[in-house]
Amino acid sequence: DAGVTQSPTHLIKTRGQHVTLRCSPISGHKSVSWYQQVLGQGPQFIFQYYEKEERGRGNFPDRFSARQFPNYSSELNVNALLLGDSALYLCASSLVDRADGYTFGSGTRLTVV
Amino acid sequence: AQSVTQLGSHVSVSEGALVLLRCNYSSSVPPYLFWYVQYPNQGLQLLLKYTSAATLVKGINGFEAEFKKSETSFHLTKPSAHMSDAAEYFCAVTASGGSYIPTFGRGTSLIVHP
Repeated sequence: DAGVTQSPTHLIKTRGQHVTLRCSPISGHKSVSWYQQVLGQGPQFIFQYYEKEERGRGNFPDRFSARQFPNYSSELNVNALLLGDSALYLCASSLVDRADGYTFGSGTRLTVV
Repeated sequence: AQSVTQLGSHVSVSEGALVLLRCNYSSSVPPYLFWYVQYPNQGLQLLLKYTSAATLVKGINGFEAEFKKSETSFHLTKPSAHMSDAAEYFCAVTASGGSYIPTFGRGTSLIVHP
């Protein structure tokens, strides 16, 4: 079975541009979460979606948005990129129960120059 | 509200020595607790989890963790370190009620010396 897949794996953008990151969850997983990981720190929660509805939002500006599609894949969009948005963006999928734990993708490395 | 504290940003051990990575949590409701491992340039991989069954939990790669409610701790151990264990380890907590969102610790980098 395929794991959580994220695309692209690496991305370089210029300040002020827009970026879209994509994630496909494990088959059967209906929940997708997005995290930002800055070098040397733990993952910071951005969004969680379950059955196409937003179930949680972290402390990130409105420049960050996301959605989940009927096939449970998800997109994370970031507008007006800042240098500080440079990070590893991780997508994680899980079953319904909060005790299930997450399966993470390998992430998208975003560099803003 | 919930939080996780990982004591020690770096832990250094010799190959074959005991590994002990510390995690203390705070949660207003009974918690679910997790340990994840992250190798360079990869995502996080679930090592083990505590979900209110046995307090001593065994995971992959020979790791185990013990839930101690009185100490609000969930420390990760391995009897004998291997070079391949060198990685970043994250403790995470999810409340058993209320928010579905887990909170991650800042991580502990495990360094294994030959």
